[in-house]
Amino acid sequence: SQQGEEDPQALSIQEGENATMNCSYKTSINNLQWYRQNSGRGLVHLILIRSNEREKHSGRLRVTLDTSKKSSSLLITASRAADTASYFCATGLNAGNNRKLIWGLGTSLAVNP
Amino acid sequence: SAVISQKPSRDICQRGTSLTIQCQVDSQVTMMFWYRQQPGQSLTLIATANQGSEATYESGFVIDKFPISRPNLTFSTLTVSNMSPEDSSIYLCSVREVGDTQYFGPGTRLTVL
Repeated sequence: SQQGEEDPQALSIQEGENATMNCSYKTSINNLQWYRQNSGRGLVHLILIRSNEREKHSGRLRVTLDTSKKSSSLLITASRAADTASYFCATGLNAGNNRKLIWGLGTSLAVNP
Repeated sequence: SAVISQKPSRDICQRGTSLTIQCQVDSQVTMMFWYRQQPGQSLTLIATANQGSEATYESGFVIDKFPISRPNLTFSTLTVSNMSPEDSSIYLCSVREVGDTQYFGPGTRLTVL
């Protein structure tokens, strides 16, 4: 069953603006990851944040994690048309050796030039 | 990071036939996964491909429909058997490296008529 839920489902912004996407989950996690997918192709890993971390940065990306609220946010600053894609969060659970990722439904981001 | 290739990149198949998708990784990896992504949807894990043993299937997926081979640590195949239009999806191969990050192949876009 899906655990992560992203919101909004779709987001449309102008180039140069910031985009914020949120992800909520239901159970305890080991880590939370954000991925980008362009036009139904393969997914690209963006950031992994562990349950004992609160914030991570990578270039124009900032991810926060609030384990008390079971939520995470992905901020893309100074967005570009090339950021247009679907963004997925995936949670890695505290469960044995399998440690499957549980995927959210995704946020579709459109950055208009 | 691992570089993953998949073949074919897309195919259009007739109902009742089977298609085998190949996944090749440029390095040895322990954990390899097969996902399905139906149009506009999130990812659903089909199975974990185990080297030298049978794949571990998720609920709703069975070996007779989705046989998987994993002859070594760099290669796996997924067969979609006796296809129906409901099998039209993107099929994604993924590997996990140390540190929990997963990397994805470019996907195989399957259309069943």
